[in-house]
Amino acid sequence: EDQVTQSPEALRLQEGESSSLNCSYTVSGLRGLFWYRQDPGKGPEFLFTLYSAGEEKEKERLKATLTKKESFLHITAPKPEDSATYLCAAHGSSNTGKLIFGQGTTLQVKP
Amino acid sequence: ETGVTQSPTHLIKTRGQQVTLRCSSQSGHNTVSWYQQALGQGPQFIFQYYREEENGRGNFPPRFSGLQFPNYSSELNVNALELDDSALYLCASSLDQAISYNEQFFGPGTRLTVL
Repeated sequence: EDQVTQSPEALRLQEGESSSLNCSYTVSGLRGLFWYRQDPGKGPEFLFTLYSAGEEKEKERLKATLTKKESFLHITAPKPEDSATYLCAAHGSSNTGKLIFGQGTTLQVKP
Repeated sequence: ETGVTQSPTHLIKTRGQQVTLRCSSQSGHNTVSWYQQALGQGPQFIFQYYREEENGRGNFPPRFSGLQFPNYSSELNVNALELDDSALYLCASSLDQAISYNEQFFGPGTRLTVL
């Protein structure tokens, strides 16, 4: 069964303290690996799509990478406004229209 | 350009009742997907509609049903509500059904509480 698992569930960082969030996936025929940011009481906001192992994408302090089994979201010198829940999701070849989400990592960045 | 909107924002129902949630997709988008997000969990796919036809369904019972209208807005209907149906219901629209290549834009969600 296709599955996406994120770790850690929660992460507390000091402002400027870099770290990485992990997303492990077991998906048949991966078509795309997605990262979203979700603020409390709001819908997820798209960050990145990765399509093949070795691919990397960057946006401000965030960089997403992809291997054949995992994806990482690296956060460099985070600021308090980066505090949110980060969701990883996968789209497989057998999943028409379906994104399989992980449970999310809640990041808190303290000033 | 108007984003994805959902109504109502919040809703309280009792067990056994029926509920209809509404979603207006972003302008030009012909595909709408619905997700259920329980507290502290990631969203779970309910179903997707592409040009008024269901295009994939997750592991949800038949009492979860939907519609997509000619203007591509959509409804999610849930019959015989159960306590476990309490969740945030998210709607997402995209330009096309090929969601790996067309960004999905999520609405703010409808918070449903079943008592």
